[in-house]
Amino acid sequence: EIVLTQSPGTLSLSPGERATLSCRASQSVSSSYLAWYQQKPGQAPRLLIYGASSRATGIPDRFSGSGSGTDFTLTISRLEPEDFAVYYCQQYGSSSWTFGQGTKVEIK
Amino acid sequence: QVQLVQSGAEVKKPGASVKVSCKVSGYTLTELSMHWVRQAPGKGLEWMGGFDPEDGETIYAQKFQGRVTMTEDTSTDTAYMELSSLRSEDTAVYYCATVGYSYGVNGMDVWGQGTTVTVSS
Repeated sequence: EIVLTQSPGTLSLSPGERATLSCRASQSVSSSYLAWYQQKPGQAPRLLIYGASSRATGIPDRFSGSGSGTDFTLTISRLEPEDFAVYYCQQYGSSSWTFGQGTKVEIK
Repeated sequence: QVQLVQSGAEVKKPGASVKVSCKVSGYTLTELSMHWVRQAPGKGLEWMGGFDPEDGETIYAQKFQGRVTMTEDTSTDTAYMELSSLRSEDTAVYYCATVGYSYGVNGMDVWGQGTTVTVSS
């Protein structure tokens, strides 16, 4: 099973700042199957990015994804108040989907 | 547009089974790849299993094999997830979610509202 490790665990930033979230895989992941999700308290997760860099429907362009192989990044160019949440990366490979443990983006 | 509506909260005793349903609207179940994800209180997301269109079979996370069964009733466009031999660690919110393979989205782009399952004696 491929293990995804996200860093940092918590990111403390102010609105308007840039957020850079990392997701590292224990072995190479197909970029086609690397996704990012946002989750707010009491809500279901929301798909932000799929295929490592494609934004899902309705996702603002301040969210972008990049990376390949074992290292992937989610960037939020300028944090809006509604962006403070927990973010998860996810991959599919070898007949199994796995999630990272999450990065919490909190208001500084 | 796909919508998923899940069944209501459940309280079960250790050793019992629970069956959660997920009703699809806007598409037919046969057009979708349905998956189940759970989240224990204060914890992260955990994939349990789902339909793999490449193999045409339901695949399960190794952790749940032998204890979980995912089925679909295409006549009512309803998916089910049954988890047996419940223990306190199974207390969680259970989500159904679809992977949009059929329209090129390799991610879980539609989610149900979640079903809280509490296991307590």
